[in-house]
Amino acid sequence: DTEVTQTPKHLVMGMTNKKSLKCEQHMGHRAMYWYKQKAKKPPELMFVYSYEKLSINESVPSRFSPECPNSSLLNLHLHALQPEDSALYLCASRQELAGGGETQYFGPGTRLLVL
Amino acid sequence: AQSVTQLGSHVSVSEGALVLLRCNYSSSVPPYLFWYVQYPNQGLQLLLKYTTGATLVKGINGFEAEFKKSETSFHLTKPSAHMSDAAEYFCAVSESGTYKYIFGTGTRLKVLA
Repeated sequence: DTEVTQTPKHLVMGMTNKKSLKCEQHMGHRAMYWYKQKAKKPPELMFVYSYEKLSINESVPSRFSPECPNSSLLNLHLHALQPEDSALYLCASRQELAGGGETQYFGPGTRLLVL
Repeated sequence: AQSVTQLGSHVSVSEGALVLLRCNYSSSVPPYLFWYVQYPNQGLQLLLKYTTGATLVKGINGFEAEFKKSETSFHLTKPSAHMSDAAEYFCAVSESGTYKYIFGTGTRLKVLA
């Protein structure tokens, strides 16, 4: 099973709201990712958690706050977002392969609209 | 630095025709290469990957890709296109020593009836 789940599927929020995105995987992967994807563009990396510690922050504005409560769960807390933050937010988990190599498995995404 | 180039942002083929989506990479070390497919308003689904070993890689939905080191290419093919293949396709390389992928800009495949 290579399933990554994300909730909610769709989210509409005002610029003063606080909301959270949730991502779960039960594949035993120890690295999890948040990506932002705008229309007709490839995903842009935002954050990487490895062994529940933040290992990469791609200079993301502080209105996005990631959290990794345990190895299966990843949250993205949103506060005071701007309309330009409207996008598809993708979560992924990383499988390390014996003998080298790795593979990322993506969730279905959360479509966020900021009004 | 590693990079990925996908030639052709839009590709149209007739149903039943050969699908060829091009991907070239640059890497100073042996790369790990991936093809993902994305249907509208969905996440990325892994089609196939090359890590080590056999250079011809078979994936899901009848797709395959061949790793050619001499040409620094990893083109995606399917012998006969189906209407359901219409989607966005991304080639990616795993950046060595990091947890990052480098994605190509994507190719939108259109299948004509």
